[in-house]
Amino acid sequence: NAGVTQTPKFRVLKTGQSMTLLCAQDMNHEYMYWYRQDPGMGLRLIHYSVGEGTTAKGEVPDGYNVSRLKKQNFLLGLESAAPSQTSVYFCASSYGPTGAYEQYFGPGTRLTVT
Amino acid sequence: GENVEQHPSTLSVQEGDSAVIKCTYSDSASNYFPWYKQELGKRPQLIIDIRSNVGEKKDQRIAVTLNKTAKHFSLHITETQPEDSAVYFCAATPKTSYDKVIFGPGTSLSVIP
Repeated sequence: NAGVTQTPKFRVLKTGQSMTLLCAQDMNHEYMYWYRQDPGMGLRLIHYSVGEGTTAKGEVPDGYNVSRLKKQNFLLGLESAAPSQTSVYFCASSYGPTGAYEQYFGPGTRLTVT
Repeated sequence: GENVEQHPSTLSVQEGDSAVIKCTYSDSASNYFPWYKQELGKRPQLIIDIRSNVGEKKDQRIAVTLNKTAKHFSLHITETQPEDSAVYFCAATPKTSYDKVIFGPGTSLSVIP
């Protein structure tokens, strides 16, 4: 099993450009999450999904959109990138709610917006 | 909403010594407290967790204690080794939703050989 994978690993964008980050998991997990990690701020939840076709806002959702059309995939979109979105983005998945089940993280995507 | 504070932000210990990282949370209804370890350039991984009906949990050199009254929990690492060097994140489940956890800002632990 590959676990949780993320595409791409690195990306440089210019301000105003758009892009989509892809997260895929092969563990048949219901729950999927997108976090951003910035120095000294831990992991902050952007959006999450409790099942195929569902999405919900996390702590820092502004400037991002998500979609969960298939159970195994969770896409994070940036419609108009800003320098403040320079960060490392982690996807995670869990069998059930994180209040009861372990989260498995992907390897991360390092995004730089110039 | 839930707020998780973590101290210290950086910690250096000699190999073989113990390390303690403390976290406090704001939501008294929180009931699940995981700890994640992130090595440099790697993904976070769960190392231990504790639920609100338990006061202490141990797994080899790692232990976590929970004080619900004071709303704080701690990670204890004994006989530290260089491979324990990493960033450690605590987290807590907010009352509003058990679908997510709120992470602390992290503690960078360095174990000096």
